Amino acid sequence: DAGVTQSPTHLIKTRGQQVTLRCSPKSGHDTVSWYQQALGQGPQFIFQYYEEEERQRGNFPDRFSGHQFPNYSSELNVNALLLGDSALYLCASGVGNEQFFGPGTRLTVL
Amino acid sequence: GEDVEQSLFLSVREGDSSVINCTYTDSSSTYLYWYKQEPGAGLQLLTYIFSNMDMKQDQRLTVLLNKKDKHLSLRIADTQTGDSAIYFCAESPTRGNTPLVFGKGTRLSVIA
Repeated sequence: DAGVTQSPTHLIKTRGQQVTLRCSPKSGHDTVSWYQQALGQGPQFIFQYYEEEERQRGNFPDRFSGHQFPNYSSELNVNALLLGDSALYLCASGVGNEQFFGPGTRLTVL
Repeated sequence: GEDVEQSLFLSVREGDSSVINCTYTDSSSTYLYWYKQEPGAGLQLLTYIFSNMDMKQDQRLTVLLNKKDKHLSLRIADTQTGDSAIYFCAESPTRGNTPLVFGKGTRLSVIA
């Protein structure tokens, strides 16, 4: 049984560009959450998707948007990239009280 | 507001016990978690404890919760070099798939 998978593994973009990150939840999980982890920091909650709708959102600007598909996979989109968006982006899926994280996508903005 | 604090570094000798501490501010926290992150990797769920429990043991891991002082600790018995990683404490205000609030992590270094 595959766990949470994310693609791509690494990504390099320049300021002002747009990026799309992808996540497939663990089998049987219908809720997907996205987190941003800056260097030396703990993960920060971006938003959560359930039944194809954004259910909760953290303190992130509207440049960060997402989508969940009928198969529960999810995308994170970031527009107008800033240098400060450079981070590890983590996807998590869960059931009950356990949330499982994917390996992350390392985004570098130059 | 929600805030989770951890000491940043801990160094122990192989075979000794490690104790990683965490304090949190949200008194409504229902579940408290410990995650492990190895270099270049995602987060691995180690264990979690419900707020009505004082202690939970899982093989080499022991979690202690002092709800009055809002203090959580993770003890790793017989620490091995493979335990070297960053350990994150996280709290969740409700049950289910609710957003986790993380500390900044404690970097554990195990000296052979």
